[in-house]
Amino acid sequence: EPEVTQTPSHQVTQMGQEVILRCVPISNHLYFYWYRQILGQKVEFLVSFYNNEISEKSEIFDDQFSVERPDGSNFTLKIRSTKLEDSAMYFCASNGLAGYNEQFFGPGTRLTVL
Amino acid sequence: GDSVTQMEGPVTLSEEAFLTINCTYTATGYPSLFWYVQYPGEGLQLLLKATKADDKGSNKGFEATYRKETTSFHLEKGSVQVSDSAVYFCALSGYAGNQFYFGTGTSLTVIP
Repeated sequence: EPEVTQTPSHQVTQMGQEVILRCVPISNHLYFYWYRQILGQKVEFLVSFYNNEISEKSEIFDDQFSVERPDGSNFTLKIRSTKLEDSAMYFCASNGLAGYNEQFFGPGTRLTVL
Repeated sequence: GDSVTQMEGPVTLSEEAFLTINCTYTATGYPSLFWYVQYPGEGLQLLLKATKADDKGSNKGFEATYRKETTSFHLEKGSVQVSDSAVYFCALSGYAGNQFYFGTGTSLTVIP
């Protein structure tokens, strides 16, 4: 069964460093998303991406964040200068046009900013 | 705006007990409703879904009915097992391409 994959599973970085989180969505999907979950809190929407551009973003997704689909298969989230409060689990998700608009989630990347 | 309110946890039950996790929503239009489950150390997995009023989603013994009149989508299971121990998230989405709105999650622990 096709699935969304994410790498790395755990990333540790120093405050102020740039990080890139990688995702490979399901191959025939058209919509891509990033969410984050700070420990013990709810899953929060960051951004959605369709047709090679951002279609929606939340207040969390400020200028420090960017997304890219560089090669037609990977979908990346970049944080330019990490802060302590960026420590969270980051989930990638994707879905297609048809069906029940169900989103398929990856296993997540745990980002720890020291 | 759209939102989901979910019963606070944690919930601890004995094996074979009845489970209810409450979820209510606020939305414009007619959203689709979902329950996702997160097992320890894993990502979010779709448990069940319903796309219109009075639809019942079901999977692995879990059920939830989309109630428009009470704006609810409560999760139920008649007899829980130890393997059901996980965090359960209620979520809604307006349409394909729309973001998901998640509840805060309810942690369930089932003891033998």
